[in-house]
Amino acid sequence: AQKITQTQPGMFVQEKEAVTLDCTYDTSDPSYGLFWYKQPSSGEMIFLIYQGSYDQQNATEGRYSLNFQKARKSANLVISASQLGDSAMYFCAMREGTTGTASKLTFGTGTRLQVTL
Amino acid sequence: DSGVTQTPKHLITATGQRVTLRCSPRSGDLSVYWYQQSLDQGLQFLIQYYNGEERAKGNILERFSAQQFPDLHSELNLSSLELGDSALYFCASSAPGTGTTDTQYFGPGTRLTVL
Repeated sequence: AQKITQTQPGMFVQEKEAVTLDCTYDTSDPSYGLFWYKQPSSGEMIFLIYQGSYDQQNATEGRYSLNFQKARKSANLVISASQLGDSAMYFCAMREGTTGTASKLTFGTGTRLQVTL
Repeated sequence: DSGVTQTPKHLITATGQRVTLRCSPRSGDLSVYWYQQSLDQGLQFLIQYYNGEERAKGNILERFSAQQFPDLHSELNLSSLELGDSALYFCASSAPGTGTTDTQYFGPGTRLTVL
């Protein structure tokens, strides 16, 4: 079974609008971390935001926020006030287990976001 | 700039050959991870080293090997290369430990093309 599911292969959003990129996950481990990365066309992977499984509040980093719904096992990324530079591939990833142990990331298939004028 | 460096940026080689990819982690990070990104497989975890020791292994082929040196830089060796090994290879590093998020910061990647 897929551990990270991103059901939107592609999304369009108008400049200055908000957009939500979906991510659902599957794990039986009570301790895990959820990450979002951005991959522009240049290829590098840029860390955006992190949410821990025990965090009580949704994570926010500037224009990025993570809508964490633990019971539904979803961790959607919300980008507010979209900019042309936000056009990129976005990946959701999960680390299972506590920090300090083997910490591989499992990635979803990604969502390609295109910001239009 | 994540602080993780990878060399070379591009590598073109022939089937059957052997190549070495190099990674230097962020200052202070003890963990190094290798990932492969290909069109058909997506982003796949290969292997993790922590302070010189192998910590976790993923979908890494037997033709591939890695190591982390005392200065914490890491090398990924790919041998008997096949066309299907063409991919973008990422190195990431983190500072794992209690109280940290163990966020992995990625290098710019090495794009390998096997002809």
